[in-house]
Amino acid sequence: DVKVTQSSRYLVKRTGEKVFLECVQDMDHENMFWYRQDPGLGLRLIYFSYDVKMKEKGDIPEGYSVSREKKERFSLILESASTNQTSMYLCASSLTGASTNEKLFFGSGTQLSVL
Amino acid sequence: RKEVEQDPGPFNVPEGATVAFNCTYSNSASQSFFWYRQDCRKEPKLLMSVYSSGNEDGRFTAQLNRASQYISLLIRDSKLSDSATYLCVVMRTRGSTLGRLYFGRGTQLTVWP
Repeated sequence: DVKVTQSSRYLVKRTGEKVFLECVQDMDHENMFWYRQDPGLGLRLIYFSYDVKMKEKGDIPEGYSVSREKKERFSLILESASTNQTSMYLCASSLTGASTNEKLFFGSGTQLSVL
Repeated sequence: RKEVEQDPGPFNVPEGATVAFNCTYSNSASQSFFWYRQDCRKEPKLLMSVYSSGNEDGRFTAQLNRASQYISLLIRDSKLSDSATYLCVVMRTRGSTLGRLYFGRGTQLTVWP
């Protein structure tokens, strides 16, 4: 079974801190994604990557950056955390993205609180 | 306008009931359609894909109407374990070759004994 592992389940940070959220997948998937999920807003795509060192902005990239130095690892970086970035962050991966029936595999999420 | 619109519910139904969820999508270029299920405090997981001809998986039936840009999910003989949030998801390519998924906000279902 595919495993997508997020490094922390809960994280508390202070405003202005630099925050790293790590995600690792073990199935050699090409594509990786970062979403945030907020009550009433659903899942929103922050950034995604379809290859090592490749990245594309999603719908809400402001205040975030990403890094994909290795195929299995996709990091989300909050350069200077703000309270409006308090959210559940979900990492996901998929095999190719070319298939019209692509299945996303999600990690269990990181609940980030910025104080 | 949102890419995917769903009635958030909540839907509260007794065991054994039949319940239907609806979803509309705004972009006619959308190519693929799915229902995901998300349990409380858990990650979303794929429940089923939705095909133009309609498809069934046990007690679950999904329908797609491309002309109306409408997707539905029917659950028959509801079980307590069906209690979850159901996410309507559409996929389309946008610029890059990689298909992007757009999620609805989810419909919450509670099945009571």
